[in-house]
Amino acid sequence: KNEVEQSPQNLTAQEGEFITINCSYSVGISALHWLQQHPGGGIVSLFMLSSGKKKHGRLIATINIQEKHSSLHITASHPRDSAVYICAVATGNYGGSQGNLIFGKGTKLSVKP
Amino acid sequence: EPEVTQTPSHQVTQMGQEVILRCVPISNHLYFYWYRQILGQKVEFLVSFYNNEISEKSEIFDDQFSVERPDGSNFTLKIRSTKLEDSAMYFCASSGRTNQPQHFGDGTRLSIL
Repeated sequence: KNEVEQSPQNLTAQEGEFITINCSYSVGISALHWLQQHPGGGIVSLFMLSSGKKKHGRLIATINIQEKHSSLHITASHPRDSAVYICAVATGNYGGSQGNLIFGKGTKLSVKP
Repeated sequence: EPEVTQTPSHQVTQMGQEVILRCVPISNHLYFYWYRQILGQKVEFLVSFYNNEISEKSEIFDDQFSVERPDGSNFTLKIRSTKLEDSAMYFCASSGRTNQPQHFGDGTRLSIL
């Protein structure tokens, strides 16, 4: 059983649509990360959160610790948002190394003009 | 903005040979990580490093693997005797503190022939 599950696996949207990607996890965590992987392979950290909600530009990330669930929302989607979005959880103690990230398989997003 | 840099971008090596992947983390960061991603699969944690020693390592990180911070700037991953199944994209990451996001390099694609 995967400890981090993402849905959907693939998502195609029209430019301007509101997008939601979901992540559920089954382990205790100290933090949850949302990452973006470009077609060339590079990985960019979007959010790191342990509670509540964070917003950066058109991106919003929420987490519900009790339900072990997080969502990534993209408002007014654009073709340049096309990428793989990865959810990863840190299981280490918050005060210690958070390096042991467990990754989801990713959601491949394609935004059409 | 400071970046994590990895060299080379692509390494082709014969099976059984030793390979060293190099990373220059962001200069004031203290925590360093290696991950790998086999083509078409999810990203997997290999090892984390802090204060000149390994903090955590995964089952993948066996005796064939080692890490080193030989000077104040480089962080290297060595695979002693490469196998075909070591072919993957290897990512280096660094963070300033454990409660801060990790910054990823663009990866080194390792191809074992």
